[in-house]
Amino acid sequence: GESVGLHLPTLSVQEGDNSIINCAYSNSASDYFIWYKQESGKGPQFIIDIRSNMDKRQGQRVTVLLNKTVKHLSLQIAATQPGDSAVYFCAEGGAGSYQLTFGKGTKLSVIP
Amino acid sequence: DGGITQSPKYLFRKEGQNVTLSCEQNLNHDAMYWYRQDPGQGLRLIYYSQIVNDFQKGDIAEGYSVSREKKESFPLTVTSAQKNPTAFYLCASSIERGGGYTFGSGTRLTVV
Repeated sequence: GESVGLHLPTLSVQEGDNSIINCAYSNSASDYFIWYKQESGKGPQFIIDIRSNMDKRQGQRVTVLLNKTVKHLSLQIAATQPGDSAVYFCAEGGAGSYQLTFGKGTKLSVIP
Repeated sequence: DGGITQSPKYLFRKEGQNVTLSCEQNLNHDAMYWYRQDPGQGLRLIYYSQIVNDFQKGDIAEGYSVSREKKESFPLTVTSAQKNPTAFYLCASSIERGGGYTFGSGTRLTVV
């Protein structure tokens, strides 16, 4: 989702449940997508990435889904843990470009 | 271990002062970036550099300056012309076009 003013979209989930965080990207020419996790006061950390020739990629407890038709990206976190509480944001990149374009982020809060 | 180091972690600036934020990487990455992050906001690009001795303005370059004299280093100076410098500053680097970034741990700058 998109942020409004100073307020990030927030997703609250119960510990042990699965989380799904969504991201709409803007450039149909983008062919590289990446999810980052940012804990409070820290730099963003790489979670998982995917290229446009794939529609799904799995990591440890995380899955990224890419729907190029509707320009939508999602991050699924299985068995969400309190340590997963953070801001998650997606980024898109285009072939031949160094630069990424970042989404505003979604705050994930895990309820113990 | 390879990585990207930002210093200092916290920095306080008086009105009218210039301050310089350090960013060093030993990943042998060609491209480096500076972003500004305000509370509840996404990342906004200040400057980026794809090669030594060359850099380009990002979306919010006014009041900032950079240099890229060495591949490993990309310092950011926040000048007195930047009217609202209080923010969290993130440095990043990337090795290839169409790939992801590695971020530093950030510098929190506060005007006192």
